[in-house]
Amino acid sequence: GAGVSQSPRYKVTKRGQDVTLRCDPISSHATLYWYQQALGQGPEFLTYFNYEAQPDKSGLPSDRFSAERPEGSISTLTIQRTEQRDSAMYRCASSLAVSGQQYFGPGTRLTVT
Amino acid sequence: GESVGLHLPTLSVQEGDNSIINCAYSNSASDYFIWYKQESGKGPQFIIDIRSNMDKRQGQRVTVLLNKTVKHLSLQIAATQPGDSAVYFCAEILQGGSEKLVFGKGMKLTVNP
Repeated sequence: GAGVSQSPRYKVTKRGQDVTLRCDPISSHATLYWYQQALGQGPEFLTYFNYEAQPDKSGLPSDRFSAERPEGSISTLTIQRTEQRDSAMYRCASSLAVSGQQYFGPGTRLTVT
Repeated sequence: GESVGLHLPTLSVQEGDNSIINCAYSNSASDYFIWYKQESGKGPQFIIDIRSNMDKRQGQRVTVLLNKTVKHLSLQIAATQPGDSAVYFCAEILQGGSEKLVFGKGMKLTVNP
């Protein structure tokens, strides 16, 4: 595709529900990143994939957060038993290769009520 | 769009002036630095990067300066235009294989016509 796309763009969920966010990277990009961005802050690293491998998930806040990229293209970020503190913008980025320039998607704004 | 610039330090300049945005980074082992521009409602957009073996790099209307001695990075924008109004983040990557981008606090640039 022309750029990184994310869906849904907005998600409102009740506390305790599970949510799954989707990222479509730029086609042929090997590396995919997930970030969490609070209002007024810079993005904070959550995890990244190189193809389907997930070398670093040190930024995931708790074991309620998980990410997958089973075929090395589309990725999902799942938050189980959501809490109000999970409310944030979740951004995906992709790059042609590890250490390459990262292109960011428009983000998914998650609100937990 | 959401206000990514909420509660951030702000720099106001007149159209046509030069702008300088500063960033202090934390890790002396970081070897790759990037400046991102984030407009309201959008994801961060790559502006320019620099490796630690350089102290200056120029792009179109932008220059990045790196002072490793004091761990300081700056972005200079020449002949600032209203379209340059955005939040600017510096980011660093730690040497040694981790692809974790660590973003700085951000500076909101407002260009007055």
